[in-house]
This record gives sequence, structure tokens and C-alpha cells, in this order.
Amino acid sequence: DAGITQSPRHKVTETGTPVTLRCHQTENHRYMYWYRQDPGHGLRLIHYSYGVKDTDKGEVSDGYSVSRSKTEDFLLTLESATSSQTSVYFCAISEVGQTSYEQYFGPGTRLTVT
Amino acid sequence: RKEVEQDPGPFNVPEGATVAFNCTYSNSASQSFFWYRQDCRKEPKLLMSVYSSGNEDGRFTAQLNRASQYISLLIRDSKLSDSATYLCVTAGSNYQLIWGAGTKLIIKP
Repeated sequence: DAGITQSPRHKVTETGTPVTLRCHQTENHRYMYWYRQDPGHGLRLIHYSYGVKDTDKGEVSDGYSVSRSKTEDFLLTLESATSSQTSVYFCAISEVGQTSYEQYFGPGTRLTVT
Repeated sequence: RKEVEQDPGPFNVPEGATVAFNCTYSNSASQSFFWYRQDCRKEPKLLMSVYSSGNEDGRFTAQLNRASQYISLLIRDSKLSDSATYLCVTAGSNYQLIWGAGTKLIIKP
């Protein structure tokens, strides 16, 4: 299994509070991704990174920001959490950015915003 | 219309049976197709890539039909361990993947 960890694994927070999720990889892969997964929807890309300090928006980036100061860490921040951000968040990595290459996923973080 | 559509199921299938499900996609320019498998409350994992000529991996066969814009997954001699949700994935724009919501498969003894 690819060396990807996410923390925390579970979190309950209140509306309006800031939340940061962490993704850590030991594979030295260049590309990292944050997705959210909700019932009835496929995985939806929030943000991705193609190198240290190089990030771009995905399909559902509103309300989220990211940072990547080291190859191994990719942080997702909800500046002011809302109930619509209750979801399962997955981090993924890939060696190459082109879509023909496999993405490897972390175990996920279950976030509940009350 | 969703970019990638799958029948959510569940498909309830007896052990040993053959099961097939399709996925339709809207981006006719897509060049990459995959099936991922996701176990309950776990992360997705790549099951197989789907090539233009079709491909087989043991009991699993994937086919691509560009004219009708769908891909299929066939599972032969199904096992209890095949119970999972199967996610159809295609390439979107800007090197991003587009994911279907998944088809749930339940194999019954």
C-alpha cells in the first residue's frame, strides 16, 4: 500500500470554526489531491497540487484553501466550516499528473459540521 | 446530465454468478478510463484501467465502447469478497479525473 496518512481520521466541529485536515505521504510523489465524497455524488476534486507551493482549484473549491510547503504534506483548510461541508475527505497522490496514471488514496477523514 | 453516470444498484448476485454493469460518460474526447473499487468506509483503489481494445484481468473484463460512450465491467465466478462499490472514472479537462457515484455490488452466499 502507498504510504499516505490523513489526520485527523474523524472530526466533529461547529459551524463557523476553522478546520485543517492534513495529508502526509512517504512516496515522494509530485501530485497531491483533495477530494470530497458525498452520497449520490462521485468523488469531487477540491484542490490539487503539482509541486511545493504549486496548487490549483478543482471543481468544488469554494470555501476551501490549501497549502503545500513540503513535498510530503498537503493541508486542506476550511476557513469557516459550514454544514454543507460535512463529508468524507480523501487525499490522493500520483507520480504523474496525467490522467492515465493511477491515483493512490489515503484512508479518509470523516468531518461532521454541526 | 452528469458527466459520468452509473446505476447505483445495489446489484444482489449469488456467489459464482456472472455480473456486469455499465457506465456512461459525456466527454467524447476522454482518453482515459478506469474502474476503481471501494469497500465500505474505505478508500478507493484501482481495479483496472480500460483500454480501447478491452482488457481482462483474471475474472474481471473491462470494455470500452466509444461510439455509445460507455464502459463496462464484467465479473465472472463472483466471490463474496467482490462485494464492494465499483467506481467508474474518466479523464476530464486539465488532467483531472471525473468520477461516477458508484455501483454497489452485494454477493450473497
